[in-house]
Amino acid sequence: NSKVIQTPRYLVKGQGQKAKMRCIPEKGHPVVFWYQQNKNNEFKFLINFQNQEVLQQIDMTEKRFSAECPSNSPCSLEIQSSEAGDSALYLCASSSHRNSDYTFGSGTRLLVI
Amino acid sequence: QQQVRQSPQSLTVWEGETAILNCSYEDSTFNYFPWYQQFPGEGPALLISIRSVSDKKEDGRFTIFFNKREKKLSLHITDSQPGDSATYFCAASEGANTGKLTFGDGTVLTVKP
Repeated sequence: NSKVIQTPRYLVKGQGQKAKMRCIPEKGHPVVFWYQQNKNNEFKFLINFQNQEVLQQIDMTEKRFSAECPSNSPCSLEIQSSEAGDSALYLCASSSHRNSDYTFGSGTRLLVI
Repeated sequence: QQQVRQSPQSLTVWEGETAILNCSYEDSTFNYFPWYQQFPGEGPALLISIRSVSDKKEDGRFTIFFNKREKKLSLHITDSQPGDSATYFCAASEGANTGKLTFGDGTVLTVKP
């Protein structure tokens, strides 16, 4: 049973549609990460936060992807205009410090048709 | 250039045998190395981790051996059980700034009863 809660488990969108997924980090974990895991099991780092502030994000995230971690609300990752290549498992993880063990959620599996 | 490499891609052992999974890395600034276990349809779960100041870390049936000079590490799973059948990922981080992990492509372990 993961202590990081991700919703929804599955998401199906048409190309060009918005896709939004949410993450509740483990209690007491101020650092939150988003990764994309493709069908070949390759992980791609997207963005991470400490409390509400962005620590690092990749270029792809800056264009069609947006993410936030507001105080007292779930974190979210949104793809503004979904593309077929965005089909993947999106994983949220949290940790107590930047360089400590992560806890991953079960992921949101996005299918863009 | 892939920063973290894993071998073999897949491994089959009999129940009770020791499974050895290998990992190597390129970036000499990496100082934190977690191993994750992932079952189909689930997010990765932290199995065991090691920091570069140590050369060995043991937790039950799982042991990491770390060779900083050669930039190599290995995960040994003793007394392998069918329930250990999963994909194992080696990851690495330089940690100090953002905690971002770089993952290998995984080793699929099958334990036959």
